Amino acid sequence: EPEVTQTPSHQVTQMGQEVILRCVPISNHLYFYWYRQILGQKVEFLVSFYNNEISEKSEIFDDQFSVERPDGSNFTLKIRSTKLEDSAMYFCASSSVIPYYEQYFGPGTRLTVT
Amino acid sequence: AQKITQTQPGMFVQEKEAVTLDCTYDTSDPSYGLFWYKQPSSGEMIFLIYQGSYDQQNATEGRYSLNFQKARKSANLVISASQLGDSAMYFCAMRVGGGSNYKLTFGKGTLLTVNP
Repeated sequence: EPEVTQTPSHQVTQMGQEVILRCVPISNHLYFYWYRQILGQKVEFLVSFYNNEISEKSEIFDDQFSVERPDGSNFTLKIRSTKLEDSAMYFCASSSVIPYYEQYFGPGTRLTVT
Repeated sequence: AQKITQTQPGMFVQEKEAVTLDCTYDTSDPSYGLFWYKQPSSGEMIFLIYQGSYDQQNATEGRYSLNFQKARKSANLVISASQLGDSAMYFCAMRVGGGSNYKLTFGKGTLLTVNP
């Protein structure tokens, strides 16, 4: 069964460093998303991406964040200068047109900023 | 703005019994969808079931059913014949509007523990 994959599974970085979280969505999916979950809290939407551009972003997704689909398979989230409060689990998700409602999540990348 | 409320931080159920996890939602958009996801201790998010606002029947997927009461704005998840492997965090989520490109708004989750 096709699945969304994410690398790395765990990333530790120092405050102020740049990180890139990588995702490989399901191959025939057209819509891509990033969510984050701070430990013990609910999952929060960050950004959605379609047709090589951002469709919607939340207030969390400020200028420190960017997304890119550099080739036909990868979808990346970059945090330019990490802060302690960026420590969270980051989930990538993708969805297709049919069935339009199923959004498949990857296993997540746990980001720890020290 | 849309909102999802899950009032049960934790629930306990005996193996083989049924359990209901509560979810209420708030939106003024007539077109919306309601989802339940399971998050085991390993952390991944597993899609369980979906209910569209215009669907006439309550959604069912195996042992999962969604008790959709539109007038009350509730979308409770019912798990029948609980199994030990059902122990996990359960999140209710909503998308608003039509189309294929949408964000999900999640509730705070309910931690379900199935006792042998």
